[in-house]
Amino acid sequence: DTGVSQDPRHKITKRGQNVTFRCDPISEHNRLYWYRQTLGQGPEFLTYFQNEAQLEKSRLLSDRFSAERPKGSFSTLEIQRTEQGDSAMYLCASSLSGSGNTIYFGEGSWLTVV
Amino acid sequence: GENVEQHPSTLSVQEGDSAVIKCTYSDSASNYFPWYKQELGKRPQLIIDIRSNVGEKKDQRIAVTLNKTAKHFSLHITETQPEDSAVYFCAATANFGNEKLTFGTGTRLTIIP
Repeated sequence: DTGVSQDPRHKITKRGQNVTFRCDPISEHNRLYWYRQTLGQGPEFLTYFQNEAQLEKSRLLSDRFSAERPKGSFSTLEIQRTEQGDSAMYLCASSLSGSGNTIYFGEGSWLTVV
Repeated sequence: GENVEQHPSTLSVQEGDSAVIKCTYSDSASNYFPWYKQELGKRPQLIIDIRSNVGEKKDQRIAVTLNKTAKHFSLHITETQPEDSAVYFCAATANFGNEKLTFGTGTRLTIIP
């Protein structure tokens, strides 16, 4: 499968625990995005990378959230000290920089904080 | 920042009829407007997009229109089929390189056989 892949697809964790999600973008794509989607809402932008550089972060990305893309390939999104309000689907997407290039989404990682 | 509003939130149409979903945006600098289809538990998939230098784009049964003056754009699906049932999201960005999309709240489209 040459699409965007995310792991794990589902995660249930207790409040206060840390969780980490991984995203593998389409291989030639240099841009990688993280979005969050809650039930009944559209995806909300969290952050994006061009190669290994994190170029923008949303105000939604509190200090408990950190994203990395150390080698410009896969990315991780870590949430520390999870809260029930963090329960959502975390979507990763990738694209090739330049005008007219489509953003492709992964299947998402569902997080449930209990 | 950009704000995108989408209507209606739910839409039911008879199979074979047309469906129209409308979105408005706030940032006059927005120049790229994609539409995504999301089936339950699946990823959002791009179905059509339009750039601010054109007013209409069509791809088989799907078309999108853009009115820059009024800052609204619409998705039109003709000859609807059961497999068109899904949630549809509009989005907008002011950056031609698509760095950050602002999404609408979605429309749940149900096609009645």
